[in-house]
Amino acid sequence: ETGVTQTPRHLVMGMTNKKSLKCEQHLGHNAMYWYKQSAKKPLELMFVYSLEERVENNSVPSRFSPECPNSSHLFLHLHTLQPEDSALYLCASSQDNTVGADTQYFGPGTRLTVL
Amino acid sequence: AQSVAQPEDQVNVAEGNPLTVKCTYSVSGNPYLFWYVQYPNRGLQFLLKYITGDNLVKGSYGFEAEFNKSQTSFHLKKPSALVSDSALYFCAVRPSYSGAGSYQLTFGKGTKLSVIP
Repeated sequence: ETGVTQTPRHLVMGMTNKKSLKCEQHLGHNAMYWYKQSAKKPLELMFVYSLEERVENNSVPSRFSPECPNSSHLFLHLHTLQPEDSALYLCASSQDNTVGADTQYFGPGTRLTVL
Repeated sequence: AQSVAQPEDQVNVAEGNPLTVKCTYSVSGNPYLFWYVQYPNRGLQFLLKYITGDNLVKGSYGFEAEFNKSQTSFHLKKPSALVSDSALYFCAVRPSYSGAGSYQLTFGKGTKLSVIP
């Protein structure tokens, strides 16, 4: 799990706050992902970056804004969130997202609570 | 679009007994199939994957999975369960063709495994 790190591990924010989640991968991978994990629901893919370019935005509301300054770092900027956005946000990385057999490796997640 | 079904929300097994966690899938063409495990307050940890070849795939911590194309299944198994195997298990599928959407790894809802001492 130390290959992909996420900070903070826990975050509580009000609906008017602005905060950012950070992900860093130490695996030399070229692709990075944001997922949302809510209770009793399958993991939802939010964003995919390949070589620092966004290749997928899975109909995510604009209150979530990703940023990938380089292939090792990925951010998720949050603003004016809703209580239903409370979830575990997982970051993942993989070597090459265009290869079907490519394995994604996950970070420990950030537990977000929106009050 | 691909999909994954994990028909059991929870599986209980006694320590030392064999365990099976079920997974069926739907995908166009040939699948790539994955199993992940999630311990409490942790991220997903990769266990094993099927790409091609031998239908029985061996993975980490003594787990294995059997690919059955005719039944579109990829059940996770272990011959002797440990209490430490208690966790949430996720099956995932991805199509084997490349191109738009091929990076989409579709997960099941997860199965909670409880190994009883």
